[in-house]
Amino acid sequence: DTGVSQDPRHKITKRGQNVTFRCDPISEHNRLYWYRQTLGQGPEFLTYFQNEAQLEKSRLLSDRFSAERPKGSFSTLEIQRTEQGDSAMYLCASSPRQGPNTGELFFGEGSRLTVL
Amino acid sequence: QKEVEQDPGPLSVPEGAIVSLNCTYSNSAFQYFMWYRQYSRKGPELLMYTYSSGNKEDGRFTAQVDKSSKYISLFIRDSQPSDSATYLCAPYDFNKFYFGSGTKLNVKP
Repeated sequence: DTGVSQDPRHKITKRGQNVTFRCDPISEHNRLYWYRQTLGQGPEFLTYFQNEAQLEKSRLLSDRFSAERPKGSFSTLEIQRTEQGDSAMYLCASSPRQGPNTGELFFGEGSRLTVL
Repeated sequence: QKEVEQDPGPLSVPEGAIVSLNCTYSNSAFQYFMWYRQYSRKGPELLMYTYSSGNKEDGRFTAQVDKSSKYISLFIRDSQPSDSATYLCAPYDFNKFYFGSGTKLNVKP
């Protein structure tokens, strides 16, 4: 399967613990996005990378959140000192190109975080 | 004000019905308008997209954009139970996609 893969698919943690999610994009895609989705809402933009450079971060991404994409391949999203409000689905997506011929986003199946 | 507003539904229709899903947006700079479909517990997948104002048809699906009123529509003809999913509109501004909250559609056999 050559789609976007995310790991783990589901993580249950206690408040205050750190968690890390990994995303492996489609291999030739140079853009990688992280979105967060809560129940009944659409995905909210968190951050994106072009190759290894993190080009934009949402104001939603507090200091407890950090994302990396070393070597421009896989990416990790770490949440430190988790809070119950962090419970959500974390979606990773990759794209082969940017506009004007807009690059389609290919999503992974998400990593669901439950903070107790 | 949210960038994109979308009626969350749920919308329940009988099989074979014509479905109309709609969004409004606030940023007049948007040029590309995507529709994503999301099945339960899955990531969204691109259904179709349009550039600027106008219509685009793909099989049973028609996407329509009216930039003058900042209004985006998706029409589904001859709806099928397999169309039951959440539909997300997502305008794009060269760097990122702005998703609506999604409309949950249920097509009853």
